[in-house]
Amino acid sequence: ETGVTQSPTHLIKTRGQQVTLRCSSQSGHNTVSWYQQALGQGPQFIFQYYREEENGRGNFPPRFSGLQFPNYSSELNVNALELDDSALYLCASSPAGTSYNEQFFGPGTRLTVL
Amino acid sequence: KQEVTQIPAALSVPEGENLVLNCSFTDSAIYNLQWFRQDPGKGLTSLLLIQSSQREQTSGRLNASLDKSSGRSTLYIAASQPGDSATYLCADLNSGGYQKVTFGTGTKLQVIP
Repeated sequence: ETGVTQSPTHLIKTRGQQVTLRCSSQSGHNTVSWYQQALGQGPQFIFQYYREEENGRGNFPPRFSGLQFPNYSSELNVNALELDDSALYLCASSPAGTSYNEQFFGPGTRLTVL
Repeated sequence: KQEVTQIPAALSVPEGENLVLNCSFTDSAIYNLQWFRQDPGKGLTSLLLIQSSQREQTSGRLNASLDKSSGRSTLYIAASQPGDSATYLCADLNSGGYQKVTFGTGTKLQVIP
């Protein structure tokens, strides 16, 4: 059984640019959530996608947007990058058929904004 | 708005000790709770899930409990080992009754051989 995968592993961008991060959910999972984790902090919930629709959102501005595809994979897009967007971005998927919202995480994408 | 505090923020113990990590919630209406460990620069590894109908869960040397009346959860680690060194995080999986996850601030554990 393949776990959650994310690409790329590392990314360097400059302020004002746009970035797209990708996530493949674990087999049998139909919900994907995205998190931002700054150094030394706990992960902050960005949003969750279920059946290709946003299903919950944290306190992030609209320049953070996402997509979920029919195969349950997902993208996180961040426009107009700011220095404070530098962080580890984590994706997690949740099993279909349960209501627990149990999170299974990928290894993350380290984004550096210069 | 749910806020989750973990105490202590850091802990250093000798190998073999039993230890308790604490997690407290400002909103005690916890439906489902999950504990994780995170190694430096890595993703999160799930340790235990306490479902809405449960009060505790056990896996090997780990035991997690949830007291909904006080809005507190504890993670008990028995006979700690150097391989347990990591940051431990708790998460409310349904903050405010919605599909929104709120994480604690984490406890950084070091187990000294």
